[in-house]
Amino acid sequence: GAGVSQSPSNKVTEKGKDVELRCDPISGHTALYWYRQRLGQGLEFLIYFQGNSAPDKSGLPSDRFSAERTGESVSTLTIQRTQQEDSAVYLCASSLTLRGQYFGPGTRLTVT
Amino acid sequence: GENVEQHPSTLSVQEGDSAVIKCTYSDSASNYFPWYKQELGKGPQLIIDIRSNVGEKKDQRIAVTLNKTAKHFSLHITETQPEDSAVYFCAASNAGGTSYGKLTFGQGTILTVHP
Repeated sequence: GAGVSQSPSNKVTEKGKDVELRCDPISGHTALYWYRQRLGQGLEFLIYFQGNSAPDKSGLPSDRFSAERTGESVSTLTIQRTQQEDSAVYLCASSLTLRGQYFGPGTRLTVT
Repeated sequence: GENVEQHPSTLSVQEGDSAVIKCTYSDSASNYFPWYKQELGKGPQLIIDIRSNVGEKKDQRIAVTLNKTAKHFSLHITETQPEDSAVYFCAASNAGGTSYGKLTFGQGTILTVHP
């Protein structure tokens, strides 16, 4: 079956612009996570969605970052007024249970 | 919060040799430990995981061991092949209760298998 998909695969934007990243989870997976991976580093948790529960936003680095999820489907991560330090790969993962997160290919964001 | 340390940062082996990557964690409440393989330009791929009620798990050439007392776990790859070359990440989470399985990752190990 289809895995997690993300779009765009690459995004180059100018400092100060807003960007929107999209994640399509595996069908039926109720949990969805966003992570950020800076060059040569591990993954940092950003936000978690589970069904209709309030999302846990404890990993979002600033109020310029926000995310939404429609039911148990698509999620979008929005970064407003992008800064150069936002340059990273943004990864989305989904899971059916609390174990076994499956990742998408990521969106590589470059802020110039 | 949880902190995961991973060693070594780079590992170079000859084809056919074994490779071992080690991780330590700080939160005794962590109970789920997955390992991911990440190839260049791709997302991390789950290769094996272990729960805290198990000390060892094996899947073909890959095995993971867990020592809850010492709070460390290791990935063992036997009979390495060039296609095993990638970045490997360990992670830990408290899956259950109020912690919903948020993963804390190690910094990664770049494994190179020379033919």
